[in-house]
Amino acid sequence: DAKTTQPNSMESNEEEPVHLPCNHSTISGTDYIHWYRQLPSQGPEYVIHGLTSNVNNRMASLAIAEDRKSSTLILHRATLRDAAVYYCILRDGRRNFGNEKLTFGTGTRLTIIP
Amino acid sequence: DSGVTQTPKHLITATGQRVTLRCSPRSGDLSVYWYQQSLDQGLQFLIQYYNGEERAKGNILERFSAQQFPDLHSELNLSSLELGDSALYFCASSVRGSGANVLTFGAGSRLTVL
Repeated sequence: DAKTTQPNSMESNEEEPVHLPCNHSTISGTDYIHWYRQLPSQGPEYVIHGLTSNVNNRMASLAIAEDRKSSTLILHRATLRDAAVYYCILRDGRRNFGNEKLTFGTGTRLTIIP
Repeated sequence: DSGVTQTPKHLITATGQRVTLRCSPRSGDLSVYWYQQSLDQGLQFLIQYYNGEERAKGNILERFSAQQFPDLHSELNLSSLELGDSALYFCASSVRGSGANVLTFGAGSRLTVL
């Protein structure tokens, strides 16, 4: 599996934008970039995913570099409820028998300061 | 409520015992994944089923087994329990396993082995 690199932890002030970086220099052309988050004592939760173009949804935005070797998850206005571990994961878009799982790294622990 | 139901939420048992964790996937989802999360480890993939058949295996111990039934619910059986098996066990489901599809996780089953 192509690997991702994320900072171990980040802090941000409440009600300010947060930019969570992810490096994936060995990404292949068929890899989707997925972001999940895990709030304390809860299961992981899907945030957003994309392939080449920037993506927006109600939770966040995903900015993908032109060479696709890095991406940034953007929370436009952080709240205390956004405090979580955020995982950046690459997932092969081809229907690949036996290789469909998500492989979680250590993620970035985001702390929101009131 | 994610639509993925896991039971029981909490389970306390003794070493050497056997337990069964149950997962009902989101309606329409054919793939089920099991993950283990202990305090000192991240989210570890255990096993995946697709429409009743084993699809992929991770670092699942021989003392652990799983199956997916015709109604698509899945059970994870843990036997000869050891203290180190204390962890959160998450089930996730997806429509199918390709890279563009997202996983929906349940709230988890917390197992404590005394």
